[in-house]
Amino acid sequence: AQSVAQPEDQVNVAEGNPLTVKCTYSVSGNPYLFWYVQYPNRGLQFLLKYITGDNLVKGSYGFEAEFNKSQTSFHLKKPSALVSDSALYFCAVRENYGGSQGNLIFGKGTKLSVKP
Amino acid sequence: DSGVTQTPKHLITATGQRVTLRCSPRSGDLSVYWYQQSLDQGLQFLIQYYNGEERAKGNILERFSAQQFPDLHSELNLSSLELGDSALYFCASSVVGRGADTQYFGPGTRLTVL
Repeated sequence: AQSVAQPEDQVNVAEGNPLTVKCTYSVSGNPYLFWYVQYPNRGLQFLLKYITGDNLVKGSYGFEAEFNKSQTSFHLKKPSALVSDSALYFCAVRENYGGSQGNLIFGKGTKLSVKP
Repeated sequence: DSGVTQTPKHLITATGQRVTLRCSPRSGDLSVYWYQQSLDQGLQFLIQYYNGEERAKGNILERFSAQQFPDLHSELNLSSLELGDSALYFCASSVVGRGADTQYFGPGTRLTVL
């Protein structure tokens, strides 16, 4: 069965410092991996996805994510955090095979707090 | 703005009642998904439709049902409501509904059951 783990409930970072939000996944085949962000009282906004190829994926708002197959990880990163990045971040996976269902499996979410 | 619209934004109702949540997908998207977000369960997939046909079912209760209409909008019907059904209900849409397809989420409907 597919699953996603986000080991940290909350990540605290000072503005201007680099940030990392961790995600590990479990699928039987190759994964499609996604990151979404949720601001208070808003829907989920798509940030980036990994399909295949380059292990470093660049996305919206300066975010990037590094796919590591041996560690089954897909950590979200940003070189310099902004206070406005404070939000709830979700990692999600969909299994990559012809008969796969369309739905995403989400992690529990990580609350990112960036202090001035 | 993702292009996915959901109505209403807020819904307050009583136990035992029935409600209908509506979703309009992005222009050109054929697949619609429904998810439930609650504090204890997190984001849970409920059901997926593709071009009017049910494609996948997740943790959807028998009291809940959905459909996708010829104009591709979708409705989620929740009946015999219980306190535990209080949650944020999201609709998402995508082009083909599988693979590397990106899902775009609506703003959600917050359901409160009193």
